[in-house]
Amino acid sequence: DAKTTQPPSMDCAEGRAANLPCNHSTISGNEYVYWYRQIHSQGPQYIIHGLKNNETNEMASLIITEDRKSSTLILPHATLRDTAVYYCIVRVDGNTPLVFGKGTRLSVIA
Amino acid sequence: NAGVMQNPRHLVRRRGQEARLRCSPMKGHSHVYWYRQLPEEGLKFMVYLQKENIIDESGMPKERFSAEFPKEGPSILRIQQVVRGDSAAYFCASSPPSGGSYNEQFFGPGTRLTVL
Repeated sequence: DAKTTQPPSMDCAEGRAANLPCNHSTISGNEYVYWYRQIHSQGPQYIIHGLKNNETNEMASLIITEDRKSSTLILPHATLRDTAVYYCIVRVDGNTPLVFGKGTRLSVIA
Repeated sequence: NAGVMQNPRHLVRRRGQEARLRCSPMKGHSHVYWYRQLPEEGLKFMVYLQKENIIDESGMPKERFSAEFPKEGPSILRIQQVVRGDSAAYFCASSPPSGGSYNEQFFGPGTRLTVL
């Protein structure tokens, strides 16, 4: 079973920041927080990951609380193409399967 | 650098037939994962393979399903005697050999299996 809890759906206005929360209160010290998204029926796409420090790449920013029990994925300027299901996943480093929960369905509205 | 390739993209089978789904990982990747997504549901892990070895098949149904990743060629997910409940999207993902700081999985476009 997934070790994360996410809201089932969110709306965001185009051009605004989308902030997607994730609770992972039982995360272990050696587990990373990963974010993937699935646009329509395509294969999931990696977005970002982190252990305890905040991370930023060309797609998004990841803010992890100091106690690591929750995190927020930030899409700074959402576009219509960001409409997708976003999955927050915790997993240990290395080659391990991804355990997907139900994710958050983000709808970006013009 | 081509991404993960899966074929066919769409496959239609009648009940009782066999389905073979192929996955070619990204160049240099030696780890392959198979996931299944039933209609209106999330992705579920099925099996994890390295070249010529099954590492974790905890998500595979006990009967009718098998997977392989031979030394040469693509990974194959085989479903024998398909039933309507096998209708789903099957995704393959690959990752590089261990040793990096993390192991991102790259997904293919999926094979949509329809059982009539």
